[in-house]
Amino acid sequence: DGGITQSPKYLFRKEGQNVTLSCEQNLNHDAMYWYRQDPGQGLRLIYYSQIVNDFQKGDIAEGYSVSREKKESFPLTVTSAQKNPTAFYLCASSHRGRGSGANVLTFGAGSRLTVL
Amino acid sequence: AQSVAQPEDQVNVAEGNPLTVKCTYSVSGNPYLFWYVQYPNRGLQFLLKYITGDNLVKGSYGFEAEFNKSQTSFHLKKPSALVSDSALYFCAVRESGAGSYQLTFGKGTKLSVIP
Repeated sequence: DGGITQSPKYLFRKEGQNVTLSCEQNLNHDAMYWYRQDPGQGLRLIYYSQIVNDFQKGDIAEGYSVSREKKESFPLTVTSAQKNPTAFYLCASSHRGRGSGANVLTFGAGSRLTVL
Repeated sequence: AQSVAQPEDQVNVAEGNPLTVKCTYSVSGNPYLFWYVQYPNRGLQFLLKYITGDNLVKGSYGFEAEFNKSQTSFHLKKPSALVSDSALYFCAVRESGAGSYQLTFGKGTKLSVIP
C-alpha cells in the first residue's frame, strides 16, 4: 500500500537536545512538507520541498532544519534553538506544481514530541 | 495575505441530523478551498476541494461543501450525521493565482456526533 510513514510515533527528549523525525513516502510524490500542530492553532508550515536537494522555509522555520537527499525521504531536525518544541508534527506529500492537485496532501500519522 | 476562519471550536449534533461546519476565507484573488478531516492521533485526510464551477462540491464519506463567493464562505455539510463522523475538521485556502501556493489552514472544528 502506498503511503507516508513517520517515525517515531512518540518521542521524549531533554531540553537542549536535537531530535530528528523521520518521514518516508512511497507515493512517488515530488513535493513533501512538514507541519506543526498545536491544540487550537491548526497546522503551521515549517518547511517544504518541491524537488530533491531543494527546500524552502515555511511560516515557522526557526529552530528547525531539513534535508531532501532522496525523493522518498524528508527528515526534520528539531534543534535546541527551537524554544517551544513540544508539539505534534505532521509530514505530508503531494504532486508538484501550482495547480490545485498540489494541495491535495497525503499525511502521515504524525510524531508527538515531548520535551521534558 | 490569505486567511481562513472557523468560527466554532466545537459542533455537537445528534446522530441522523444534518450537520454544518462553518468556514470563511480571505484571499486577494480567486480561492482554491479545501476540507480535511483528522481522526484522533492521526494525520489529516483530504475530503473535498473547490476550484471553479459548480458551487456545490461533493466529497468523500457523503460530505459536501457549498462555495458562496459573496459571503466568502465554504461550509461543510452532511445530510445525516454518523457517530463515526466525530473528528476534527480543517478548512484550508490558497489563492489560485500568482504568489504562494501553500495552503493556509484554519484552527479546526471538533465535531461530536451524539448517539
